[in-house]
Amino acid sequence: GENVEQHPSTLSVQEGDSAVIKCTYSDSASNYFPWYKQELGKGPQLIIDIRSNVGEKKDQRIAVTLNKTAKHFSLHITETQPEDSAVYFCAASVRPGNQFYFGTGTSLTVIP
Amino acid sequence: SAVISQKPSRDICQRGTSLTIQCQVDSQVTMMFWYRQQPGQSLTLIATANQGSEATYESGFVIDKFPISRPNLTFSTLTVSNMSPEDSSIYLCSVEGLRGIGHGYTFGSGTRLTVV
Repeated sequence: GENVEQHPSTLSVQEGDSAVIKCTYSDSASNYFPWYKQELGKGPQLIIDIRSNVGEKKDQRIAVTLNKTAKHFSLHITETQPEDSAVYFCAASVRPGNQFYFGTGTSLTVIP
Repeated sequence: SAVISQKPSRDICQRGTSLTIQCQVDSQVTMMFWYRQQPGQSLTLIATANQGSEATYESGFVIDKFPISRPNLTFSTLTVSNMSPEDSSIYLCSVEGLRGIGHGYTFGSGTRLTVV
């Protein structure tokens, strides 16, 4: 089955700096890659996703890049703010709605 | 936008008892999923629940321990049976497609279970 690895496990950045979280996957059939943000005491919330026919997708301060050849994808958050502090999970699946395989999570702390 | 309501939000239970977690969606969905998130860990799929059929369990999870009901297209329950401290986790329900077809999962807010 699919194996998703996520790095780093913890990340601290100064407010206004950029944060990058990286994930690798093993199954070349995976073609849908969502990112979730989980705040304390809440369920994960989808923040951005990308499909394999696209190399990059951006939504305001958040962007995701995908390298299918290398089987890795990354989340980029620019101009970080304290409210970006949360745990971020990457995931991979063969298609949206199919079983998702989640990374182990990155705890992001934005220092004011 | 569509909403998932999950309850209870948290509970502290005695060893050997059972807890039923409810998940209500405000629109009809075909598939509902139950996940477990152990402290500081990632999300692990327990089972997939389709309306009108038995749930499909992932490796390591069995129906006797985690019975699931799916009586209609907007509701599901997960029971954690004969609990032990190792069952202390966050349990999450989720559905696909609430943000539109092909837009992945939407999660409930979770049930934080502590077994003492």
